[in-house]
Amino acid sequence: GESVGLHLPTLSVQEGDNSIINCAYSNSASDYFIWYKQESGKGPQFIIDIRSNMDKRQGQRVTVLLNKTVKHLSLQIAATQPGDSAVYFCAENMDTGNQFYFGTGTSLTVIP
Amino acid sequence: DVKVTQSSRYLVKRTGEKVFLECVQDMDHENMFWYRQDPGLGLRLIYFSYDVKMKEKGDIPEGYSVSREKKERFSLILESASTNQTSMYLCASSFNLGGTSYEQYFGPGTRLTVT
Repeated sequence: GESVGLHLPTLSVQEGDNSIINCAYSNSASDYFIWYKQESGKGPQFIIDIRSNMDKRQGQRVTVLLNKTVKHLSLQIAATQPGDSAVYFCAENMDTGNQFYFGTGTSLTVIP
Repeated sequence: DVKVTQSSRYLVKRTGEKVFLECVQDMDHENMFWYRQDPGLGLRLIYFSYDVKMKEKGDIPEGYSVSREKKERFSLILESASTNQTSMYLCASSFNLGGTSYEQYFGPGTRLTVT
């Protein structure tokens, strides 16, 4: 999962396996969450979002789960591919404000 | 597709120089943001703007200023660059419809080195 600090959490998975990346968010008033993917040398790219009135949302090969009770967010990637290798981080927002707060990220490496 | 472009991918400046980083978005977004990204610290918000000529300080505004004269353009200014401003700078934009937030779209980043 994500944490504040100098070392980026890492996750290594075999190609074809499912990946689960976790995020503990900080503000119980946050009601909008986004997962971003950042490849080396590029800006963050939107993957999927979820609002607090839902606990699960699915996209293409990705699922986001939200547990408001324990302030936990997870990203599940099905059938992980080498192109999924990147840093993934979550962002939280209180819908009444413009500011997002970002986690430090988890580095995913897919082993062919 | 939304496109957010930044004026430079790599920039090297000397201590004390005035530095301009430009960002342009083509989706008529109301909100624009400047972040810096440092290893282990994630993205930290420097300034954001929710309308032309409007700006609000983020978490780390010291040593920076911004300008938004047109809706599509948001500039970050380092008045007197210092070595601790060496970083990756990311611009982002988003809609804000009726007070509801939406996802931010990011530019490719500018890696600034101050020597």
